[in-house]
Amino acid sequence: AQSVTQLDSQVPVFEEAPVELRCNYSSSVSVYLFWYVQYPNQGLQLLLKYLSGSTLVKGINGFEAEFNKSQTSFHLRKPSVHISDTAEYFCAVSVQGAQKLVFGQGTRLTINP
Amino acid sequence: AAGVIQSPRHLIKEKRETATLKCYPIPRHDTVYWYQQGPGQDPQFLISFYEKMQSDKGSIPDRFSAQQFSDYHSELNMSSLELGDSALYFCASSLGALAGASGENEQFFGPGTRLTVL
Repeated sequence: AQSVTQLDSQVPVFEEAPVELRCNYSSSVSVYLFWYVQYPNQGLQLLLKYLSGSTLVKGINGFEAEFNKSQTSFHLRKPSVHISDTAEYFCAVSVQGAQKLVFGQGTRLTINP
Repeated sequence: AAGVIQSPRHLIKEKRETATLKCYPIPRHDTVYWYQQGPGQDPQFLISFYEKMQSDKGSIPDRFSAQQFSDYHSELNMSSLELGDSALYFCASSLGALAGASGENEQFFGPGTRLTVL
C-alpha cells in the first residue's frame, strides 16, 4: 500500500519569500506523484505532476517540484510567494493500474504581508 | 472549459436519513471518482467507476453505494446517515486509458458537496 507524509501541517512565510513544502511517500512499486492546491471553500486544483522523465517538474503559478527517488520525496517549491498563494496544499500518489489518489495530510500555507 | 459539476453544493440531513449526491464529469471523460474529506482532513478515496463499471474501491461504508450511468454521470447514495458522515464529498473525472484506467491520468475535481448531518 502507498502512503504520503507531509511533514509540515502549517507553513507561515512572508510575501515574496521562498517556500518549500515537504512531501515524502512510501510505496513498494513505482508511483506517480501530484501536488494539488485547495483554496478556501473550493475543490482541488492540480498544480503539477510527475509521471516519468525529468525529475524537476514545473507547474502552474510558478511552482515546481523535484522527484527524488532515493529519498522518496517530492518537495514543492516556489522562489517568491504571493498573498494569493494562501491555501491548503496536498501531495498525492497513485500507481499504475490503480486509479485512486492517496493524499497526504495537507500543508496550510499562510502568506504574511 | 467545462468542469466537473456536483449537485447539490450544500446538503443538510438528519441522522438516519438518506442522501443522494450527483456528479457530472467533464464531457468525454469516462472515469469518475468519489472522495470524502472530513473537517481538517485529507481527502479519502471512496470508489471509482470506469465505463459504468466499478473499477476501484476504497474506504466506502456499506451504507453507501454508487453507480455510473450511461451518460457517465455518477450518483453516490448514502443511507442511515450518521453524524460522522458530515464532510465535503468530491467527485473527480478523468479519461481512462484504452487498456483500463491508469493512475497517471489527471483527475479533475469538482467543487464538492458539503454534507452536514444533524
